[in-house]
Amino acid sequence: ETGVTQTPRHLVMGMTNKKSLKCEQHLGHNAMYWYKQSAKKPLELMFVYSLEERVENNSVPSRFSPECPNSSHLFLHLHTLQPEDSALYLCASSQDGQGVLNEQFFGPGTRLTVL
Amino acid sequence: GDSVTQMEGPVTLSEEAFLTINCTYTATGYPSLFWYVQYPGEGLQLLLKATKADDKGSNKGFEATYRKETTSFHLEKGSVQVSDSAVYFCALSVYESGGSEKLVFGKGTKLTVNP
Repeated sequence: ETGVTQTPRHLVMGMTNKKSLKCEQHLGHNAMYWYKQSAKKPLELMFVYSLEERVENNSVPSRFSPECPNSSHLFLHLHTLQPEDSALYLCASSQDGQGVLNEQFFGPGTRLTVL
Repeated sequence: GDSVTQMEGPVTLSEEAFLTINCTYTATGYPSLFWYVQYPGEGLQLLLKATKADDKGSNKGFEATYRKETTSFHLEKGSVQVSDSAVYFCALSVYESGGSEKLVFGKGTKLTVNP
């Protein structure tokens, strides 16, 4: 596998379920990101991990819980979601370094539907 | 705060037509500017970028020039193809106080090219 992969590609869950989204990057990067892409809204940055430490949490509800066990893997744990959480969740990675223009590489996304 | 405004879509063109997608930005400091493209069912891919005023980014026949005086970064292509059908996102990057880089995206413009 190359680039950034995400599983599952599609997920349907009820509001009481607990599920996890997985992201894996094969690029040797040290920073990973979760974005939410909703219809007719700008891409929203949710979480940023740099060197496996969370450096940004953009006021995301606690029903979304990220985990970064190592620099290649990023998870988004979901519980008691709401229908308005239905969206495409995108993972990205980059080589972080202040003063360096860091291109972010995106995965294909997980299409989440909350019933 | 920092923001990106791009023209509302959808945009529908015939093959070989000229394409312009407008993008303007508001930012403190001197951001880098990007165009990302999202093909159906895929994640975002970097199309082109510019890091300072008057820089021109180009790739696959697309061009955009960083215009500081008009705070714009309009995307152009002289002759579009059916394979260019996708959603195009304008974005700027800012550095957070913690040293991490953050991308701020526009809402995206859907382009459909008909044969």
